[in-house]
Amino acid sequence: AQSVTQPDIHITVSEGASLELRCNYSYGATPYLFWYVQSPGQGLQLLLKYFSGDTLVQGIKGFEAEFKRSQSSFNLRKPSVHWSDAAEYFCAVEARGSSNTGKLIFGQGTTLQVKP
Amino acid sequence: DVKVTQSSRYLVKRTGEKVFLECVQDMDHENMFWYRQDPGLGLRLIYFSYDVKMKEKGDIPEGYSVSREKKERFSLILESASTNQTSMYLCASSPWTSGRNEQFFGPGTRLTVL
Repeated sequence: AQSVTQPDIHITVSEGASLELRCNYSYGATPYLFWYVQSPGQGLQLLLKYFSGDTLVQGIKGFEAEFKRSQSSFNLRKPSVHWSDAAEYFCAVEARGSSNTGKLIFGQGTTLQVKP
Repeated sequence: DVKVTQSSRYLVKRTGEKVFLECVQDMDHENMFWYRQDPGLGLRLIYFSYDVKMKEKGDIPEGYSVSREKKERFSLILESASTNQTSMYLCASSPWTSGRNEQFFGPGTRLTVL
């Protein structure tokens, strides 16, 4: 069965510092991978997605993620964090099966705190 | 832009009450989903629907039911609310394709059961 693990529950970085949020997935074939962000009191917004091709994916708000098949990882990065990036981040993989209904399996989430 | 709306942002109910959470999407999506979100557990799928009147159980369906009478509307029903159903509930929708389905989320309903 597919699964997603986000090893870091909580991360604190200083404003202007670089950021990397980790995501590991379990899936036999090429996964469809997503990163979502949830600002306080809001729903989830898609940051970026990977289906195939170039393993470095660019997203909104200056975020990027790199798919590494050998490490079963899809880590999210940003070179310089802004205070407005403080939020909860979710990695997800699409569940694939005969019903093909587009179910997503989410990781536990990583809460990002940004210090001034 | 895709818009997913949920009927309430905050809801307070008493134990044993029947609770309805409504979700409406305006992009003619086939798939709709209900999740609950709890700290440290991420999003867990309660039920989903891939067509009108069609539904499938997700990972945690116990204590919940759903209704999809129209394509744009997907309702989550707590038949007899209990305190352990206090949570944030998120609705999402996505188009029917062969895969690669981005889900679009509503703002969530924070339900408190007293």
